[in-house]
Amino acid sequence: QTVVTQEPSFSVSPGGTVTLTCGLSSGSVSTSYYPSWYQQTPGQAPRTLIYSTNTRSSGVPDRFSGSILGNKAALTITGAQADDESDYYCVLYMGSALFGGGTKLTVL
Amino acid sequence: QVTLKESGPVLVKPTETLTLTCTVSGFSLSNARMGVSWIRQPPGKALEWLAHIFSNDEKSYSTSLKSRLTISKDTSKSQVVLTMTNMDPVDTATYYCARTTMYRGYSYGIYYFDYWGQGTLVTVSS
Repeated sequence: QTVVTQEPSFSVSPGGTVTLTCGLSSGSVSTSYYPSWYQQTPGQAPRTLIYSTNTRSSGVPDRFSGSILGNKAALTITGAQADDESDYYCVLYMGSALFGGGTKLTVL
Repeated sequence: QVTLKESGPVLVKPTETLTLTCTVSGFSLSNARMGVSWIRQPPGKALEWLAHIFSNDEKSYSTSLKSRLTISKDTSKSQVVLTMTNMDPVDTATYYCARTTMYRGYSYGIYYFDYWGQGTLVTVSS
């Protein structure tokens, strides 16, 4: 069974840059999987950040960017802020949708 | 203004069938490229996609849960219904519905959840 992989946790300093990745247990992620990214804080519904690999959702600041890096989808946060401390999930579409396990980002 | 709201029981017993309703507003379930997905999240765990349905009645289900799930829609009522049979305590989770936009072009495509409901917590316990 295909599994979408994400780093379980990551930390970044305020003002720093961090790149979270989204891979496949077997094979490479490409734009054909229409990667999307979501941010979730405790007790809240997820917020859409990026879709179709690199398109920012409405209202998302441009310090969030998406790309394909090597064989994975990637979410880069440039100039991290305290309120970026959240869980981040990627989704890949392959006829059905699959969430990654999420990355808990700490800003400290 | 697009909104989605989940409704259903807060408590179900093991082996029972769960029926959840997502009532949408601000868009029509007959809109091309727009559908609704159900997504759940057990307490403290990751999000899990369950199923989607689109305006042309295209449906897809999670591979691991396919035998237990049925998704349907009533366009006139702006509602999408998810049923899950044989509920178990491990199915305890917050269940979200989300508007899903999909476009599959020759060289470009979109699939993402652009609006989310607030979620409803369903507990499975005897």
